Amino acid sequence: DQQVKQNSPSLSVQEGRISILNCDYTNSMFDYFLWYKKYPAEGPTFLISISSIKDKNEDGRFTVFLNKSAKHLSLHIVPSQPGDSAVYFCAARGDTDKLIFGTGTRLQVFP
Amino acid sequence: ETGVTQSPTHLIKTRGQQVTLRCSSQSGHNTVSWYQQALGQGPQFIFQYYREEENGRGNFPPRFSGLQFPNYSSELNVNALELDDSALYLCASSLKGVASPLHFGNGTRLTVT
Repeated sequence: DQQVKQNSPSLSVQEGRISILNCDYTNSMFDYFLWYKKYPAEGPTFLISISSIKDKNEDGRFTVFLNKSAKHLSLHIVPSQPGDSAVYFCAARGDTDKLIFGTGTRLQVFP
Repeated sequence: ETGVTQSPTHLIKTRGQQVTLRCSSQSGHNTVSWYQQALGQGPQFIFQYYREEENGRGNFPPRFSGLQFPNYSSELNVNALELDDSALYLCASSLKGVASPLHFGNGTRLTVT
């Protein structure tokens, strides 16, 4: 039973355009959501997070939106850069400290 | 500030053997978690340690065990290795009680043949 789902395994975007990565979850008890970026041969690197009491959090080129009624969050990257090419994981935390991860979306930003 | 470090980076073991993976937490962090990432999947929670005691466990059998030491470093032990144990093992540290992200090491790639 996959509680956190990333239904798009890959996304290809032109440099300078917006990248939108999506994530759906099933457990309404999740209270904290995070996005991680992962390059090959490296561990996941924290990107941005959002608490369930907010609907938007912004950090530079990265914005995360949370729609609790739809149990959906998205990560917007604008403008996209070639260095953003990586696998992006959505994660959620419930009443324990453990994170539940999605299966990832591979983003490719081309010139 | 030193980040999370893991050793070794790669390891090859034979089915039935035992393995120990090591992790040094980021300075100032008191909680360590271990995750298993199989190919094409997201990281799966194995367990978490806080104050040298297990503080939560995922859906992994008892042959997966761990330790946390007073300096907050940690070990993951896996007994009776199976082929399906082949994966990237990630250690992450954090500060308990704070809504803060986990900080991951680069992982240990374990191959069981």
